[in-house]
Amino acid sequence: AQKITQTQPGMFVQEKEAVTLDCTYDTSDQSYGLFWYKQPSSGEMIFLIYQGSYDEQNATEGRYSLNFQKARKSANLVISASQLGDSAMYFCAMREGQGSGNTGKLIFGQGTTLQVKP
Amino acid sequence: ETGVTQTPRHLVMGMTNKKSLKCEQHLGHNAMYWYKQSAKKPLELMFVYNFKEQTENNSVPSRFSPECPNSSHLFLHLHTLQPEDSALYLCASSHNIGGYTFGSGTRLTVV
Repeated sequence: AQKITQTQPGMFVQEKEAVTLDCTYDTSDQSYGLFWYKQPSSGEMIFLIYQGSYDEQNATEGRYSLNFQKARKSANLVISASQLGDSAMYFCAMREGQGSGNTGKLIFGQGTTLQVKP
Repeated sequence: ETGVTQTPRHLVMGMTNKKSLKCEQHLGHNAMYWYKQSAKKPLELMFVYNFKEQTENNSVPSRFSPECPNSSHLFLHLHTLQPEDSALYLCASSHNIGGYTFGSGTRLTVV
């Protein structure tokens, strides 16, 4: 069963505007972590932001913020003041379990391609 | 440079060839992973190694053979591949808790 769902295959945003990339997840674990990665055309996966399931506040990293709604099981990424360099593929991912000895596999969504227009 | 180095960056191989992909990390991470990324598909986890022991094999065909001689190095040996195996192969490492650090990937083309 798919555990991470990104329903937007592609998104466009005007430069300097904000954009929200959707992500919903499914897990029966109480302890889990949610991640967003950026993948430019070069192929590397760049870590953007992390939200733990017990974190009470939404995570923020510079222009990136994670809108975490636990009851809805959603973890949307908000990019403020979009830049041309933000054009890339964005992946939401979840890691179940945080205990030691648990490799905690990272499961990815299908990804959303973001294009920033000048 | 992310701390995880993958070589080669690009590889073209015939279906009868034998080649190996290499991944190296000096981040002190205990777990290493191989992922396959095909066009228009989510990343697929292939293998997981924890303290150089394989802990997961996601029904990967035997033409892909991983090797983890120590916690810093991970190989993926390839032989008699098929054209549908053409993809971006990503290596990652992590601690038991926390996020992954990915390499830049090897873009493999099987002809």
